[in-house]
Amino acid sequence: GAGVSQSPSNKVTEKGKDVELRCDPISGHTALYWYRQSLGQGLEFLIYFQGNSAPDKSGLPSDRFSAERTGGSVSTLTIQRTQQEDSAVYLCASSLLPSGGINEQFFGPGTRLTVL
Amino acid sequence: AQKVTQAQTEISVVEKEDVTLDCVYETRDTTYYLFWYKQPPSGELVFLIRRNSFDEQNEISGRYSWNFQKSTSSFNFTITASQVVDSAVYFCALSEADGSEKLVFGKGTKLTVNP
Repeated sequence: GAGVSQSPSNKVTEKGKDVELRCDPISGHTALYWYRQSLGQGLEFLIYFQGNSAPDKSGLPSDRFSAERTGGSVSTLTIQRTQQEDSAVYLCASSLLPSGGINEQFFGPGTRLTVL
Repeated sequence: AQKVTQAQTEISVVEKEDVTLDCVYETRDTTYYLFWYKQPPSGELVFLIRRNSFDEQNEISGRYSWNFQKSTSSFNFTITASQVVDSAVYFCALSEADGSEKLVFGKGTKLTVNP
């Protein structure tokens, strides 16, 4: 079946511009996560959605970062006034609603963001 | 606080050698989950295994095996008879059963298997 998809695959933007990154989770997966992968910081958690609500936003690095999820499916990560330190690969993952334990997260191919 | 340490940054072996990737974790919770993911050069993270903190039984899947030892807070991964296709970055991760479900990753170990 279809996996997690993300768009765009690559995004180059100028410092100060806003960007939107999109994630389509696996159908039926109620949990959705955003992570960021950069050379200096490794893989970092950003935000977790269960359905349309985000019970854990603790990883968002600043108020320039926000995310939403609609219809329990597609999610958008928005970065306002981008800075060069925002350059990274942004990964989305989804998993089933856990029953009796935490389910494995399935990752998308990522969006490589470059801020010039 | 949760923490995962993968002390080996890079490992290089020759095909058919066995190789063990180390993972040490820190958590204050008694219920937690450990994971291994593979990131091949193509970039997409691939799930390999999940273990919960109550199950210390070692697991074998083909050429892959995992050794979970709570006494040393370790969850090591061994590839037997390595192949060139095993070349990738391998990440160990931890998740606490506290409702957040977020994965805390180690820095990863880059494995290169040479022919």
